Amino acid sequence: EIVMTQSPATLSVSPGERATLSCRASQSVSSNLAWYQQKPGQAPRLLIYGASTRATGIPARFSGSGSGTEFTLTISSLQSEDFAVYYCQQYNNWPPETFGQGTKLEIK
Amino acid sequence: EVQLVESGGGLVKPGGSLRLSCAASGFTFSSYSMNWVRQAPGKGLEWVSSISSSSSYIYYADSVKGRFTISRDNAKNSLYLQMNSLRAEDTAVYYCARGRNLKQWLVPFDYWGQGTLVTVSS
Repeated sequence: EIVMTQSPATLSVSPGERATLSCRASQSVSSNLAWYQQKPGQAPRLLIYGASTRATGIPARFSGSGSGTEFTLTISSLQSEDFAVYYCQQYNNWPPETFGQGTKLEIK
Repeated sequence: EVQLVESGGGLVKPGGSLRLSCAASGFTFSSYSMNWVRQAPGKGLEWVSSISSSSSYIYYADSVKGRFTISRDNAKNSLYLQMNSLRAEDTAVYYCARGRNLKQWLVPFDYWGQGTLVTVSS
């Protein structure tokens, strides 16, 4: 089973600033990496797939990069609605499609 | 519009059983594999089980193997999770999520339901 490790666990950023979230896989997952956003009381929402492709309706301020074992989600200018928990998920080796433990993005 | 609506959650005693359902609409249900993912209170996401489009391939997390059974009815556009021998650690919100399709094997979970809460407590 591939282990996904996200860092940091909590990230404090001011609105308007850039946020950078990291995700590392225990072995290569090629570019088969997704990012999800989850707000309190809501289901996860797909943001990025294929490591760098935005899902339908996702604003351009969200971008993903990386391949192999190292991945990054960048939010270029944080809006109030972006403060949430973000999860990465690999879907290269399944089952299971494993998730990271999440990064909580909070307002500084 | 793709919609996934879970139901069947509730309070159950340890050792008890519960059957979750997920009603799908807005897409060709029979062309997609489906998944159950759970989230314990205050915790992260854990994949639980998946079933292929024709039910030919079924997988379970080790934590639920032998206790949970996933199934689907393509005629009713519905996904199910039969949960037996429930434990306190099964307490979670259970989400159904759409997975791979007949043309693409390496895809994320692109649509999720709103979840249904299962609480296992005496």
